[in-house]
Amino acid sequence: DTAVSQTPKYLVTQMGNDKSIKCEQNLGHDTMYWYKQDSKKFLKIMFSYNNKELIINETVPNRFSPKSPDKAHLNLHINSLELGDSAVYFCASSQAAPLHTQYFGPGTRLTVL
Amino acid sequence: AQTVTQSQPEMSVQEAETVTLSCTYDTSENNYYLFWYKQPPSRQMILVIRQEAYKQQNATENRFSVNFQKAAKSFSLKISDSQLGDTAMYFCAFMRYSGGGADGLTFGKGTHLIIQP
Repeated sequence: DTAVSQTPKYLVTQMGNDKSIKCEQNLGHDTMYWYKQDSKKFLKIMFSYNNKELIINETVPNRFSPKSPDKAHLNLHINSLELGDSAVYFCASSQAAPLHTQYFGPGTRLTVL
Repeated sequence: AQTVTQSQPEMSVQEAETVTLSCTYDTSENNYYLFWYKQPPSRQMILVIRQEAYKQQNATENRFSVNFQKAAKSFSLKISDSQLGDTAMYFCAFMRYSGGGADGLTFGKGTHLIIQP
């Protein structure tokens, strides 16, 4: 009965490969997010989706593409992986107003060799 | 654009002591929330406490409380009777909202809190 789940938890791959990280929430939330946490633990928003529609797209290379097949899922596809993409990626979801509190998944540690 | 500053990269206290983590933010927005999240070594991001900017009363959750000073744009977290399980990275975060929904969170760089036995 995990609220926000991500798969896989660990991902090790070679430079140049394409990979995906999946996220699912069973909280009935309308909005889902992707965050990146770098090696210094700094967290930064990448994307936000509301009801399957992209509403935030921060300055992220276009090798990163979010895909939302339905309200409960937001997957992250990364093409042509680079060394600098190594990080922990967190998915989160939030309910609509007035609370807006975001709940996070367990994170996916991506290592690019 | 909003910025969040946590000026204490690391703090260490003895078990059972009280500790205060500082956070300041900069914004021109009127409608926003502030949060403290905890990230233990398991790396899970756990919500500790939230504060609506329009509320004057400081939020409390058991041993955790905040000192929200809106005019000073300050949002500190106080942990009373600290426990070994409180050892973690603590992130202060800001979120703007409007009728169209809420933005993503803007995080500070975090404070690594170590509770010593």
